This record gives sequence, C-alpha cells and structure tokens, in this order.
Amino acid sequence: ETGVTQTPRHLVMGMTNKKSLKCEQHLGHNAMYWYKQSAKKPLELMFVYSLEERVENNSVPSRFSPECPNSSHLFLHLHTLQPEDSALYLCASSLGQGATDTQYFGPGTRLTVL
Amino acid sequence: DQQVKQNSPSLSVQEGRISILNCDYTNSMFDYFLWYKKYPAEGPTFLISISSIKDKNEDGRFTVFLNKSAKHLSLHIVPSQPGDSAVYFCAAQISSGSARQLTFGSGTQLTVLP
Repeated sequence: ETGVTQTPRHLVMGMTNKKSLKCEQHLGHNAMYWYKQSAKKPLELMFVYSLEERVENNSVPSRFSPECPNSSHLFLHLHTLQPEDSALYLCASSLGQGATDTQYFGPGTRLTVL
Repeated sequence: DQQVKQNSPSLSVQEGRISILNCDYTNSMFDYFLWYKKYPAEGPTFLISISSIKDKNEDGRFTVFLNKSAKHLSLHIVPSQPGDSAVYFCAAQISSGSARQLTFGSGTQLTVLP
C-alpha cells in the first residue's frame, strides 16, 4: 500500500451506533489530519496530530473522538451521531515541518447517518 | 467569515484553450498556498503549490501565480484537456508552529469540453 489509505470507504450507521474510521499513511510523515466535507461547503479541519501534539477545531462536537496511537495511524471514533453529520470524512498527512509542508489526502469515507 | 474564497463555482473551457481559476484570501499571515484537484468520490489530489516568497511556480501544463499585494492567486492550465475536468480547491496555510492548518476555498468545478 502506498500513500494515505482510509477504511471503510462507505459507512451507513444509525444514530445509536458506535463506529470508527481508520486512516493509515505510508509516507513517513509526522502529522495527520481529519477533515470533514459537507455538501456545498469548504473542507473543514476537525483535528490535527503533529509530533504528539493535538490541535482541534473547537466547533467539532464531542461525539467525534480522534485517536492517534502512532505517527502512521489515525482513528476517528463516532458515537451517537446526527443525520447532519453525514459527509465525506477525509484523512491527510504531512511531514509536519518546514515552510512548504504539503498535505496529502486519502480517498475519504462517505458516512451516512440514518 | 471565509478567509479563502473562490468566487466562481464553475468554469467551462474548450479543449486546448487556457483555464484560469482564481482564488482570493484575506489573512496576510498565509505564507504557503496550494491547489488541489478533486474527482467525485475521491480525496483531493495535490496539484501545485507556491510559497509567499515567489510570485510564480510552473509544473508542466500548470502554473500558479501569486499577487501578495492583491491577496490573489490563480491557477493556469494550458492547454486544457477533458481529463482536467474536476473540482479545483485553493488552500492556504500559515507555516509557523508544529501543527499546520490548511484553510480551503469552496472549490471551482472545471469542465473542459471536447
């Protein structure tokens, strides 16, 4: 596997379910990111893990919980989601240093909350 | 308040002609700018970038121009090909600190007509 991979690619869940999204990067990067893309809206940064530092967008509800066990793996734990959380969830990674730090994205997980 | 704006939601261009996609930003602290290309049901693919110390960067058919005084950047694609049809996102970053955060525009749908 190369680049940034995400599983599952598609997920349908009920509001009472608990599920997790997984991201893995094979680029030797030190920073990983979760983004949300809703219809007709710009990509919105949710969480950043960089050199063991975590940065989060304060507007993200607590029903989204990230976990980064090491620099290659990133999870997004989901619980008691709402239908408006249906969106494309994108993971990205970067070196996390330098003035021209470029983020590379995975293919995304299309989440539908019923 | 959107700090990165792409005011044209769509653009149609004839094959072989030049495509010009525009992006404006408001935060003068942004010092690294990127263009991503996105096909439906896929993650954004990095296309080209430019640092604020430059005003032009070229890579094959793609050229990005940066006008810092106007807080404006543009992506030129020449010649345009049908395979270039996709949504193009402009993104901006402040490179200080360990956690880079990209701010995205809302995207421009480019359609290249054969």
